[in-house]
Amino acid sequence: KQEVTQIPAALSVPEGENLVLNCSFTDSAIYNLQWFRQDPGKGLTSLLLIQSSQREQTSGRLNASLDKSSGRSTLYIAASQPGDSATYLCAVATGANNLFFGTGTRLTVIP
Amino acid sequence: NAGVMQNPRHLVRRRGQEARLRCSPMKGHSHVYWYRQLPEEGLKFMVYLQKENIIDESGMPKERFSAEFPKEGPSILRIQQVVRGDSAAYFCASHRAQGDEKLFFGSGTQLSVL
Repeated sequence: KQEVTQIPAALSVPEGENLVLNCSFTDSAIYNLQWFRQDPGKGLTSLLLIQSSQREQTSGRLNASLDKSSGRSTLYIAASQPGDSATYLCAVATGANNLFFGTGTRLTVIP
Repeated sequence: NAGVMQNPRHLVRRRGQEARLRCSPMKGHSHVYWYRQLPEEGLKFMVYLQKENIIDESGMPKERFSAEFPKEGPSILRIQQVVRGDSAAYFCASHRAQGDEKLFFGSGTQLSVL
């Protein structure tokens, strides 16, 4: 059974810093991997989706990498801003219709 | 184009009552998923539906829980005879078609069982 782990559970950084969030998964036979953002009391917003054949995806200040063989993904956020404060979730798809989620990293960017 | 709409946002039920959670997917989306998020836990897959069909219900408890996505109207997640352990946030997500994997999530329904 696929298990997804995110470390750290919480992270506080001063505004302007670059940061890396980590995600690991136990079964490398994945369909794709997604990073989501969840704000308190709200749903999830998809940030980046990496297909199993890809190694990274970029969107603005965000860059996500995927290393299937080692079962790891990272989300890099450049020049962090207070508006980036949220919980970031990593989710691994083992088929076309099932996502396994990590428990998230709660990010606080201090002005 | 409205996003995925879930209602109610908050639902309070007493033990033994029924809870009905509604989800209207984004316009043009025919694939709906339900997830449950317990406090301090990750989202857990419950069920995947297409119009009038349940495709995968492997994450759904065998008893008291059911889901439907009729030809017309929203998808419904029904929990009968609720217990305190059912208290959680229930999220619905949708995507357009097979192969278009980007999921759009609703804001969730927070179910509290007294």
